[in-house]
Amino acid sequence: GDSVTQMEGPVTLSEEAFLTINCTYTATGYPSLFWYVQYPGEGLQLLLKATKADDKGSNKGFEATYRKETTSFHLEKGSVQVSDSAVYFCALSGGRGGFKTIFGAGTRLFVKA
Amino acid sequence: DVKVTQSSRYLVKRTGEKVFLECVQDMDHENMFWYRQDPGLGLRLIYFSYDVKMKEKGDIPEGYSVSREKKERFSLILESASTNQTSMYLCASSLRGGNYGYTFGSGTRLTVV
Repeated sequence: GDSVTQMEGPVTLSEEAFLTINCTYTATGYPSLFWYVQYPGEGLQLLLKATKADDKGSNKGFEATYRKETTSFHLEKGSVQVSDSAVYFCALSGGRGGFKTIFGAGTRLFVKA
Repeated sequence: DVKVTQSSRYLVKRTGEKVFLECVQDMDHENMFWYRQDPGLGLRLIYFSYDVKMKEKGDIPEGYSVSREKKERFSLILESASTNQTSMYLCASSLRGGNYGYTFGSGTRLTVV
């Protein structure tokens, strides 16, 4: 079945460092890919998405490019802030599971001042 | 601002009680979902609904039921609460189709004592 694998955390960075969180997927068909963010004590929020190969999703300085050849959707940010400390989830939808979303396990990010 | 509203942020119930968790969305979304989130286990789908009065089991439906009498409201019912149902419960909604992403509520942290 469809699946999402993302790098284990926690990831600890200093403020203004470059961030990469790796995400790879397995899916049939042509899924859409998503990144969600969860701040402490809150629900998940959609951060960005890409619906077809080579699309780049972007929001709040975060970017991810849908790479079909490597089945990847890595999250990047050029300069992280303390306020970016959260758990990040990679996800896919529209594969074998239809409109149901398959979530990765989540990667916790700590940013130190 | 569009939103998904969960009726309680924190709830404490006794073993054996019948528990109702309510979720309301104001976006006219067709799909609604209930997840539970536990440390080390990620998000697990309990039930979902793609239309009024329609419901489908997710990955862990045992011990739960749902009700969707109106499009905007999706209720999760714990028939007889047990301590292993202590968890964070997240409600989400989405438009029909797999490309749009989910909107999540803020979550209900349920403790069963």
